[in-house]
Amino acid sequence: DAGVIQSPRHEVTEMGQEVTLRCKPISGHNSLFWYRQTMMRGLELLIYFNNNVPIDDSGMPEDRFSAKMPNASFSTLKIQPSEPRDSAVYFCASSFSHRGRVANQPQHFGDGTRLSIL
Amino acid sequence: GNSVTQMEGPVTLSEEAFLTINCTYTATGYPSLFWYVQYPGEGLQLLLKATKADDKGSNKGFEATYRKETTSFHLEKGSVQVSDSAVYFCALSDRDNYGQNFVFGPGTRLSVLP
Repeated sequence: DAGVIQSPRHEVTEMGQEVTLRCKPISGHNSLFWYRQTMMRGLELLIYFNNNVPIDDSGMPEDRFSAKMPNASFSTLKIQPSEPRDSAVYFCASSFSHRGRVANQPQHFGDGTRLSIL
Repeated sequence: GNSVTQMEGPVTLSEEAFLTINCTYTATGYPSLFWYVQYPGEGLQLLLKATKADDKGSNKGFEATYRKETTSFHLEKGSVQVSDSAVYFCALSDRDNYGQNFVFGPGTRLSVLP
């Protein structure tokens, strides 16, 4: 079975440029999560979608960051304009959850996008 | 709110040593508990899970028991290998109004020396 697919795997760009990260969740999963990982701050949840609707975006650091989920099989995380401090590994994860049921389903992670802003 | 606390790393062991990584949690509900492992350059992978008190999750020689009375989920392995060198994350999942509220610990880096 295909896991969570992220693209690109690596991205190097100059500050000020727009960056778009892409994620395809596991088919049948209805929750999608974007995380950022750095040595200094560890793993940070940026935003969480349930049934394509953003539920919690309190982790999005600034207005320069935006995320969309136009359908159940695709999500994007965009940074515009990018800055050197945005350099990190960005992970997408998906899971299945059902309102009212025991929350015992794990999250499945993609391999991440390593972003370097020069 | 919910939270997960892990022992500070890094942890350095010799091959075949016994491993314990402590994890304690705070939750308002009755969460499910997980351990994830992250190898260098890769994403997080589910290692094991437990969904109710006294459940023991196990995989690849690793074990963890859900202890509700001490709110703990310590990870153990009897004999570590060099290939176990990685970062280990404890996590919990609790219900929210939309189905799931996931919280990760800060991670513990394990280095196993030959």
